[in-house]
Order: sequence, then C-alpha cells, then structure tokens
Amino acid sequence: KAGVTQTPRYLIKTRGQQVTLSCSPISGHRSVSWYQQTPGQGLQFLFEYFSETQRNKGNFPGRFSGRQFSNSRSEMNVSTLELGDSALYLCASSWVAGAHTDTQYFGPGTRLTVL
Amino acid sequence: GNSVTQMEGPVTLSEEAFLTINCTYTATGYPSLFWYVQYPGEGLQLLLKATKADDKGSNKGFEATYRKETTSFHLEKGSVQVSDSAVYFCALSDLAGANSKLTFGKGITLSVRP
Repeated sequence: KAGVTQTPRYLIKTRGQQVTLSCSPISGHRSVSWYQQTPGQGLQFLFEYFSETQRNKGNFPGRFSGRQFSNSRSEMNVSTLELGDSALYLCASSWVAGAHTDTQYFGPGTRLTVL
Repeated sequence: GNSVTQMEGPVTLSEEAFLTINCTYTATGYPSLFWYVQYPGEGLQLLLKATKADDKGSNKGFEATYRKETTSFHLEKGSVQVSDSAVYFCALSDLAGANSKLTFGKGITLSVRP
C-alpha cells in the first residue's frame, strides 16, 4: 500500500505571495492532518480534515487554510506569505472507524522557503 | 493544556550502547502516547505507541512503557546501531479516541558513532 504523498517536495516563494500544498493520504484513510515544523517552534498542529470538513484546528492565523476533496486528498493554502512561514509542512493521514481515529502516518513533507 | 517534555539533547552514543530517552507528559484524561522518528530529509515515521496505562510499545528493538503514575513514556533500546541516528519525538494524542491531533515534544537528536 502506498504511503502518504506530498507535492511539491520543495517550494521557494517570496513574501506576500500565496502557496498551495497538496497531500494524498494512504488509501482508505479519510482523516488528514497538517503540521508545521520549524527549528524554533518544533512541530505544531495546523488543522485536520475529515469527510471534507475541518474537524479540528490549531492556533494559526487565518492566512492558513485548507480543504479536503471527496477522494480524501487535501490541500493547504497559505496566503500573504511571511518570512516566518518558512518551514517543513507535514501531512498525516489516519484510518477512521466510527468515533475512533487511529494512528497518524506522515508523508515526507513539503519544504517551503519564503524569501 | 497538554504538553510533552523531552530530555535535552543532542545525545551521542557508541554503537551497541544502551539508549534511554526520557519523555514526560501533562494531559487531561487518558491520551495515547507515541514515539516518532525522523531521518534526515524525511517525514516522521511511527516507531511505537501505547494506548493505555502499563501498555508496552515495541518495535525494531525499541521499547517504551506507558507509566501513568509517573506520567512518563521513556524510550529504551538495549544496543543502538549507527542506523538509529535520527531525531526522536515523543507525542500524545490530544483528543480522546482521536489520534488526529498530536502534541509533540521538541525532539532529540541521537548520533551513534561506529
């Protein structure tokens, strides 16, 4: 079974631009979560999508948004990029059964550099 | 809120040495606990997990026991290899029954020399 895939793997943008990152979960996984990893703040939860709805949200400004499609693929968007948005963005997918969301499996990440 | 505290790093060991990486947590309820590993240039890989008190997670020679009385989930390995060099993260699930929102420790870099 293929793992979580993320595209692109690397991105370079300039301040003020916007960016869209994509995540394809493991087949059968319907929950997709996004995390930001930086040297200073470590790993921080951005949001989670399930059944095309945002189910949980972390403490990030509204410039960070996401969506999920009917095939469970997810995208996240960052508008008006700031230098501090430079980070590794990780996507994780989980299998869901009823009220239980199982272990998260992570993709390789997208490395975003903002100049 | 929930939090995870890992011992300060980095850690450097010789091959075949014994490894302990400390992890303690603060949480309401009964979270699941995880160890993830990150190799250079890669995402996170699940190393092991435990979902309730006294559970022991194990994988690839690594072990960790969910200790509710000490709120700890220390990672151990009896004999490390050079290939174990990586960054190790302890994490807990924030939502009961839902592992889709994890709180991570700061991570610790392990270097194993031949």
